[in-house]
Amino acid sequence: KAGVTQTPRYLIKTRGQQVTLSCSPISGHRSVSWYQQTPGQGLQFLFEYFSETQRNKGNFPGRFSGRQFSNSRSEMNVSTLELGDSALYLCASSPDGGSGNTIYFGEGSWLTVV
Amino acid sequence: DAKTTQPTSMDCAEGRAANLPCNHSTISGNEYVYWYRQIHSQGPQYIIHGLKNNETNEMASLIITEDRKSSTLILPHATLRDTAVYYCIVRVGPTDSWGKLQFGAGTQVVVTP
Repeated sequence: KAGVTQTPRYLIKTRGQQVTLSCSPISGHRSVSWYQQTPGQGLQFLFEYFSETQRNKGNFPGRFSGRQFSNSRSEMNVSTLELGDSALYLCASSPDGGSGNTIYFGEGSWLTVV
Repeated sequence: DAKTTQPTSMDCAEGRAANLPCNHSTISGNEYVYWYRQIHSQGPQYIIHGLKNNETNEMASLIITEDRKSSTLILPHATLRDTAVYYCIVRVGPTDSWGKLQFGAGTQVVVTP
């Protein structure tokens, strides 16, 4: 069974630009969540999608957004990039996101903002 | 949110068992304990989780105390590839926790030859 797939793995963007990251969950998993990891803040929850609806949200500004498609694939978008957005962005999937479910992570997308 | 406390770092000799402690004294009755590890520059890897009973899988064993205020992750025969940051996480209540894991700083485990 294929794991969580994230693309691209590495990218460099300029301040002010926007970026879109993609995530394909494990087959059959309907919950997709996103995390940001930086050296200073560690791993932080961004948001979670289930059945194309955002169901949970972390404490990030509105520049961070996401969506989920009918096939459970998800994208996240960061607009007006800032230097501080440089981070590893991780996608995770689980059957329904509920407590007791196992959540599996992808390898992440490394974003560098210059 | 229930919080966890883990040692910042620990060393373990290759081939020996590694016992990683975690305190979660404010855990509620319906909150699960999860363990993940992260090897540098990779995504977190699921290890094991449990509610009340001890759990074992091919990677590790999870021992949860009867009062559920602490737990221990046991890697039975540590290898150099087990060098990683290990996170102990308590999932908050059912509706607040959709897809959400609240990571702390974790324990840096270094396995030495």
